[in-house]
Amino acid sequence: DAGVTQSPTHLIKTRGQQVTLRCSPKSGHDTVSWYQQALGQGPQFIFQYYEEEERQRGNFPDRFSGHQFPNYSSELNVNALLLGDSALYLCASSLAPGTQSTGELFFGEGSRLTVL
Amino acid sequence: AQSVTQLGSHVSVSEGALVLLRCNYSSSVPPYLFWYVQYPNQGLQLLLKYTSAATLVKGINGFEAEFKKSETSFHLTKPSAHMSDAAEYFCAVRNYGQNFVFGPGTRLSVLP
Repeated sequence: DAGVTQSPTHLIKTRGQQVTLRCSPKSGHDTVSWYQQALGQGPQFIFQYYEEEERQRGNFPDRFSGHQFPNYSSELNVNALLLGDSALYLCASSLAPGTQSTGELFFGEGSRLTVL
Repeated sequence: AQSVTQLGSHVSVSEGALVLLRCNYSSSVPPYLFWYVQYPNQGLQLLLKYTSAATLVKGINGFEAEFKKSETSFHLTKPSAHMSDAAEYFCAVRNYGQNFVFGPGTRLSVLP
């Protein structure tokens, strides 16, 4: 049973550039959430995708955008990168709201972004 | 908005000693509560969850947590620490709509 997979695992960008991170959810899951984890902090919710639509969004600027594909995989895009965007970006999958699920998140190992 | 606090950013225990990691939440309705563990350079792994079925919840690797509504707490314990328990631990509360609010984390060190 494949878990949540993310790519790339590490990447380095410079200020002003754009980045795309990718995520494949755990088999059987249809909801994908993205979290940003700065060094020494807990994960912060960016947004959640279900049925190819953004369902919820945390307190992140419009520079952060996403997409979900028909196969439930997802992308996170960040434009106009700032130094403060350096973090571990975690993708988590879960079952859809309203299903018989307690809604726990299953996390990938993350994509570590360094902005220089 | 819901929030989670974890008392103690760093906790050190000796191998074989009791582990106690504290978590308090703010919620106006009965919450779903979770503990996750993160090993270096890895994602988060679910340790245990509270979903109102029982106030004492047992998880993996010998960990357990007790939900106390009167204290709005969900502290994590393990009777005897092992070297392999050294990691970062996060308490989280699940909002309606399923996004999670995580605490700042507690780093557990286990001394030989």
